[in-house]
Amino acid sequence: SQQGEEDPQALSIQEGENATMNCSYKTSINNLQWYRQNSGRGLVHLILIRSNEREKHSGRLRVTLDTSKKSSSLLITASRAADTASYFCATDWPRGTSGSRLTFGEGTQLTVNP
Amino acid sequence: DADVTQTPRNRITKTGKRIMLECSQTKGHDRMYWYRQDPGLGLRLIYYSFDVKDINKGEISDGYSVSRQAQAKFSLSLESAIPNQTALYFCATSAGTSGIVGTDTQYFGPGTRLTVL
Repeated sequence: SQQGEEDPQALSIQEGENATMNCSYKTSINNLQWYRQNSGRGLVHLILIRSNEREKHSGRLRVTLDTSKKSSSLLITASRAADTASYFCATDWPRGTSGSRLTFGEGTQLTVNP
Repeated sequence: DADVTQTPRNRITKTGKRIMLECSQTKGHDRMYWYRQDPGLGLRLIYYSFDVKDINKGEISDGYSVSRQAQAKFSLSLESAIPNQTALYFCATSAGTSGIVGTDTQYFGPGTRLTVL
């Protein structure tokens, strides 16, 4: 399966600390995306990193991509209680004439304690 | 995202009933998707449609069917609901890309919580 695998499954930290989540995948990709899901709600796109990029920033988010290791990490700096959510990586990989589409991992549940 | 709406938001039904979940979008996107999410699991793709005349099965299409009535509407049907179809169902849309390196971001609806008794 191409499905991305996040690690850890769950992470609990104190407000102000940094949170790092990792994602591994199995085949070549067009891009890798990170999404956030608040409990019971729809997913919200956070950031996309293309296969030819190594690092990308967006506010307090920093994403890295290592295509040689087929892995990505999401770093949230100076975490806040409002960052509590599940975070999913999604790989966009080519599928021949069917075009590309996303495959989601199982997610990391992040809890930021006030 | 208010641009992608799903109805109903919650539904409780009995085994054997036919259920339809509806999705509408105002983003003008060609691509639409149906996913299900089970507790502690990621999203699994049920069906997807890259335009009105294009319907494709995803990873777990058995027991489901879809209809793309228009660019803005994509409905999911459970022909005869069973308890293991109890899940959170999400519709998503994307603009689609051309070329080898895709940048296709998906926009999700708020979800429909379906319980099959």
